[in-house]
Amino acid sequence: KAGVTQTPRYLIKTRGQQVTLSCSPISGHRSVSWYQQTPGQGLQFLFEYFSETQRNKGNFPGRFSGRQFSNSRSEMNVSTLELGDSALYLCASSINPGQGVGEQYFGPGTRLTVT
Amino acid sequence: QKEVEQDPGPLSVPEGAIVSLNCTYSNSAFQYFMWYRQYSRKGPELLMYTYSSGNKEDGRFTAQVDKSSKYISLFIRDSQPSDSATYLCAMSSSGGYNKLIFGAGTRLAVHP
Repeated sequence: KAGVTQTPRYLIKTRGQQVTLSCSPISGHRSVSWYQQTPGQGLQFLFEYFSETQRNKGNFPGRFSGRQFSNSRSEMNVSTLELGDSALYLCASSINPGQGVGEQYFGPGTRLTVT
Repeated sequence: QKEVEQDPGPLSVPEGAIVSLNCTYSNSAFQYFMWYRQYSRKGPELLMYTYSSGNKEDGRFTAQVDKSSKYISLFIRDSQPSDSATYLCAMSSSGGYNKLIFGAGTRLAVHP
């Protein structure tokens, strides 16, 4: 079974631009979560989508948004990029048992550099 | 104070040693506990997933959860140079759906 895939793998953007990252979950997984990883703050939860609905959100500004499609694929968007948005953005998918917390499997990440 | 505390290391051990990695947490609502391994420039890889207290073993890896002490551990037996990576603990409460709170990660180096 193929793992979580993320595109693109690397991205360089300029301050003020916007960016869209894509994530394809493991086949059959309906939950997709996004995380930001930086050397200073570590791994931080951005948001989770399940059945095309945002189910949970972390403490990030409104410039960070996402969506999920009917095939469970997800995108996240960052508008008005700032230098501090440079990070590894990770997507994780879970089969989601409905109750509780499922095992989450991460993709390789998209490394975003903002100049 | 962070919800999850993890010593960033680095931890250096000789090949074949038993490695002990630990995390402490403050939120008593946490019930799901995971350990991930992350190689440089890669995504985290799920090693162990446990619910509530107790031990779980998988090959050379053993995960322990002590909810009364708010303390979790990962033991690696017969460590190999290929185990050199950053190990991250993660946890969540049942009401948090799939929102994981991560420790800072411990860098481990196993030298031949």
